[in-house]
Amino acid sequence: DTEVTQTPKHLVMGMTNKKSLKCEQHMGHRAMYWYKQKAKKPPELMFVYSYEKLSINESVPSRFSPECPNSSLLNLHLHALQPEDSALYLCASSQGMAESYEQYFGPGTRLTVT
Amino acid sequence: AQSVTQLDSHVSVSEGTPVLLRCNYSSSYSPSLFWYVQHPNKGLQLLLKYTSAATLVKGINGFEAEFKKSETSFHLTKPSAHMSDAAEYFCVVSEQTGANNLFFGTGTRLTVIP
Repeated sequence: DTEVTQTPKHLVMGMTNKKSLKCEQHMGHRAMYWYKQKAKKPPELMFVYSYEKLSINESVPSRFSPECPNSSLLNLHLHALQPEDSALYLCASSQGMAESYEQYFGPGTRLTVT
Repeated sequence: AQSVTQLDSHVSVSEGTPVLLRCNYSSSYSPSLFWYVQHPNKGLQLLLKYTSAATLVKGINGFEAEFKKSETSFHLTKPSAHMSDAAEYFCVVSEQTGANNLFFGTGTRLTVIP
């Protein structure tokens, strides 16, 4: 099983709402990632978890809060978002943090902030 | 410092003709290089990867890429384009710092004409 799943597929939220994105993998991978992708642009790294600990935070605003409850799950909690946060949010996982390990991506959550 | 240049933002080919998507990279170390494909409103799928083994790398769906250190290139090719190949393609280099940070090119949109 080389699949990374993400829920929901689509999410529309107002600027005062609180919502969460969920990502799951059952490949035994120990590194998990959140990316943000705007239209016609490459993905931008937001957060990296290694062995369930936050390893990298790419200066992401605090209205995005990641959480890694266990080695298979990764959440992204959203609060007080802005319209410019509308994007495709991609989760990925890899066997480890070495540069030779490929990352497996989920299908993404299309987020619209109104 | 790592960087990736995809020389064409858009490539258009006829079905059944060869595909060439060009990628040049800049790296201070021996890089790991990847090609990912993204179909509309989907996540990224790994096509192939190079990690200092054979310089000609074969991937899925008939794609292959050749690592040329002297030219700092990693071009993606396919002998015969299929309609299902129409998508966005990203050339990616991985940073050799144990952080598995991916540096994405800006992408090449491949159009296949029937």
